[in-house]
Amino acid sequence: SQTIHQWPATLVQPVGSPLSLECTVEGTSNPNLYWYRQAAGRGLQLLFYSVGIGQISSEVPQNLSASRPQDRQFILSSKKLLLSDSGFYLCAWEGQINSPLHFGNGTRLTVT
Amino acid sequence: AQTVTQSQPEMSVQEAETVTLSCTYDTSESDYYLFWYKQPPSRQMILVIRQEAYKQQNATENRFSVNFQKAAKSFSLKISDSQLGDAAMYFCAYRSANYGGSQGNLIFGKGTKLSVKP
Repeated sequence: SQTIHQWPATLVQPVGSPLSLECTVEGTSNPNLYWYRQAAGRGLQLLFYSVGIGQISSEVPQNLSASRPQDRQFILSSKKLLLSDSGFYLCAWEGQINSPLHFGNGTRLTVT
Repeated sequence: AQTVTQSQPEMSVQEAETVTLSCTYDTSESDYYLFWYKQPPSRQMILVIRQEAYKQQNATENRFSVNFQKAAKSFSLKISDSQLGDAAMYFCAYRSANYGGSQGNLIFGKGTKLSVKP
């Protein structure tokens, strides 16, 4: 069966420090991959999506970037974190056409 | 642009009772999908139920069922025989039937926090 792994679960970083969140999917090939951010008391906002290796599309201009170095690996990065980058980050994948999105357990990022 | 509205920030239900969570959406598309996701305190997003817009029959999953009114653009979730484990944030989401990428982006409502009283 397919599983999605996301780490770390929690992260506290100072302003100006770099960021790297990793997401991997097992049990499927060529998935569409997504990064969402959830701010406190709000729904989810799509940040990036990828339909294949090296193919990244951004939905919202921001201080973050994403990369997909391997088929089932999706990385969210920043060179210098801002206070406003604090939030809950969720990775998700989808396989077959119009199948539901399946989410990872998320990463709680606090920028101090 | 499509929007999803959940007008109930918080709801409460007695254990074993039934509760209905409301969701309305706005779209000009005729083909799309609607979802209810549950987010317990662990924060993991869990798919509860899915509805295809071209299907008139309301989706059901055990104790969870929806009332899909396409003309009214309404998609409510009914939870029967509520259990303590049902306590969570519930998000309504819309997705275009266009496959993948941004066109397949899930658009979420702001959520309804459901409390279950023993």
